[in-house]
Amino acid sequence: GDSVTQMEGPVTLSEEAFLTINCTYTATGYPSLFWYVQYPGEGLQLLLKATKADDKGSNKGFEATYRKETTSFHLEKGSVQVSDSAVYFCALRLILRYRDDKIIFGKGTRLHILP
Amino acid sequence: EPEVTQTPSHQVTQMGQEVILRCVPISNHLYFYWYRQILGQKVEFLVSFYNNEISEKSEIFDDQFSVERPDGSNFTLKIRSTKLEDSAMYFCASSQDRNPTYEQYFGPGTRLTVT
Repeated sequence: GDSVTQMEGPVTLSEEAFLTINCTYTATGYPSLFWYVQYPGEGLQLLLKATKADDKGSNKGFEATYRKETTSFHLEKGSVQVSDSAVYFCALRLILRYRDDKIIFGKGTRLHILP
Repeated sequence: EPEVTQTPSHQVTQMGQEVILRCVPISNHLYFYWYRQILGQKVEFLVSFYNNEISEKSEIFDDQFSVERPDGSNFTLKIRSTKLEDSAMYFCASSQDRNPTYEQYFGPGTRLTVT
């Protein structure tokens, strides 16, 4: 079935370090891909998205490129801040038939940035 | 900016009781969704709703669950007889269209605790 696999956490980095959170997907069809972020005690916020192959989504210094050949959508940031500490969810959205529209999430990766 | 709202933010109930979780989607949106997140786990799709009927539901969404749009603005999730394992964060989402360029906007969530 359709699924998203992302690297296990927690990931602990020092401030200004380079971040990569790996995400791969399996899907029947051509999904849109997303990264959501969940700050402590809050809901889900869309961080970035890409809707077709080779698209690069970017926001707040984070980037991810839709790689169809490797079915991946890895999240990167060049220099993380303490305020980036949160849980990051990779997700896909498939709209195949009239009755088929849902977001499938990965398990989430907790990121902890040390000052 | 328009946003999805949910009430209450936290609901505590006893096992076997009925609960109703409320959501107000963004006003011009036509597609509505419920997701849930058991503590520490991934976000899971429950149900999608369009044109006053369920479009799709997951295996989790059994006969104990129901959804309704009673008055054209609210979108509710009812759990008829709560179980301990229903304890989770429940997220409502809405979308203007099923086209991939229209994202699903998530509410802040209702934390349901069943004792």
